[in-house]
Amino acid sequence: GDSVTQMEGPVTLSEEAFLTINCTYTATGYPSLFWYVQYPGEGLQLLLKATKADDKGSNKGFEATYRKETTSFHLEKGSVQVSDSAVYFCALSGHAGGTSYGKLTFGQGTILTVHP
Amino acid sequence: NAGVTQTPKFRVLKTGQSMTLLCAQDMNHEYMYWYRQDPGMGLRLIHYSVGEGTTAKGEVPDGYNVSRLKKQNFLLGLESAAPSQTSVYFCASSMDRAGGELFFGEGSRLTVL
Repeated sequence: GDSVTQMEGPVTLSEEAFLTINCTYTATGYPSLFWYVQYPGEGLQLLLKATKADDKGSNKGFEATYRKETTSFHLEKGSVQVSDSAVYFCALSGHAGGTSYGKLTFGQGTILTVHP
Repeated sequence: NAGVTQTPKFRVLKTGQSMTLLCAQDMNHEYMYWYRQDPGMGLRLIHYSVGEGTTAKGEVPDGYNVSRLKKQNFLLGLESAAPSQTSVYFCASSMDRAGGELFFGEGSRLTVL
């Protein structure tokens, strides 16, 4: 079945540092890929997405490129802020055998803490 | 803009008790989902619905039941709570059957003693 693997956390950075959170996936067919973010005490919200190979999703300074050859969708940001402290989830929506009905398969989440 | 609303936000139960979590969305979305979030395991799909009157099992359905009597509401029931069901539960909705954005509620923290 479909699966998503994220780098182990937590990740602790100083403000303005470069961020990479690795994400690899296993899926049949051509899934759509997502990054969701969860701020403390809140539900998840979509950060960015990519629907086909080589697409780059971007939002709020974060970027991720859909790499089919390496089955990866790594999240990057050039200069993190304290306000970026949150839990980040990589997810996929599979399309094998027909519609996924919007169901997502999530990675385990990576806690990011940014210090001033 | 209410979006997706879950009630209650917090609940403590004793083993064997029953309860229902209510999810309501005001976006006229067809698809609704219940996930549970546990440390180190991400979110796992419990049940989902592709429209009013329909439900289907997700990855971890045992011990839970659901109903979608109205399009805007999706109820998650625990008939006989167990400590293993201690978790944070998230409801989500979507309008895109092909895999688009899910809109999440703020979560319901359930503790079973």
